[in-house]
Amino acid sequence: AQSVTQLDSQVPVFEEAPVELRCNYSSSVSVYLFWYVQYPNQGLQLLLKYLSGSTLVKGINGFEAEFNKSQTSFHLRKPSVHISDTAEYFCAVSGAWDGGATNKLIFGTGTLLAVQP
Amino acid sequence: EAGVTQSPTHLIKTRGQQATLRCSPISGHTSVYWYQQALGLGLQFLLWYDEGEERNRGNFPPRFSGRQFPNYSSELNVNALELEDSALYLCASSLEGGSGQPQHFGDGTRLSIL
Repeated sequence: AQSVTQLDSQVPVFEEAPVELRCNYSSSVSVYLFWYVQYPNQGLQLLLKYLSGSTLVKGINGFEAEFNKSQTSFHLRKPSVHISDTAEYFCAVSGAWDGGATNKLIFGTGTLLAVQP
Repeated sequence: EAGVTQSPTHLIKTRGQQATLRCSPISGHTSVYWYQQALGLGLQFLLWYDEGEERNRGNFPPRFSGRQFPNYSSELNVNALELEDSALYLCASSLEGGSGQPQHFGDGTRLSIL
């Protein structure tokens, strides 16, 4: 079965420091990869997506992610975080594993990014 | 452009009752998805509707059902509510149902079962 692993449930970091949130997926078919952010009492906001092409993807709010097919990873990075980046971050994957007719997202368990002053 | 809107924001029910949750997609989007975010269980896919038809459902019992209307809005119905149904229910929409289409989420309906 396809799955997404976010190894870190919580990542504490100081303001203006760099951060990397890790995401690994398992799939034997081509996949599409997404990062979403969830602020308290809100829904999910799309940060960035990888569909094809360049493996380095830039998103909103200064975030970027790199698709690595050989390592089946899609880690999220930001060179300098702000207090306002404190939120839950979810990695998600979709693909044609159900015979092609699906767009359902499979989510990781989420990583809480806690930015401290 | 208005985003995905969900109503109500909060819903309180008791065991055995029925709940109806509503979702309006982004204008121009034809696919609607429902997800459950329950404490300790994470985000799980529930249902996908496209062009008025149910295209796929997750591993949930039949008492979870829904429909999509001609204007592409959708409702999720949960019958015979159980305590474990307490969760945030998120609706998302996309331009079409093809694999890879980014999904845009609403703020959810928090369903509490007493």
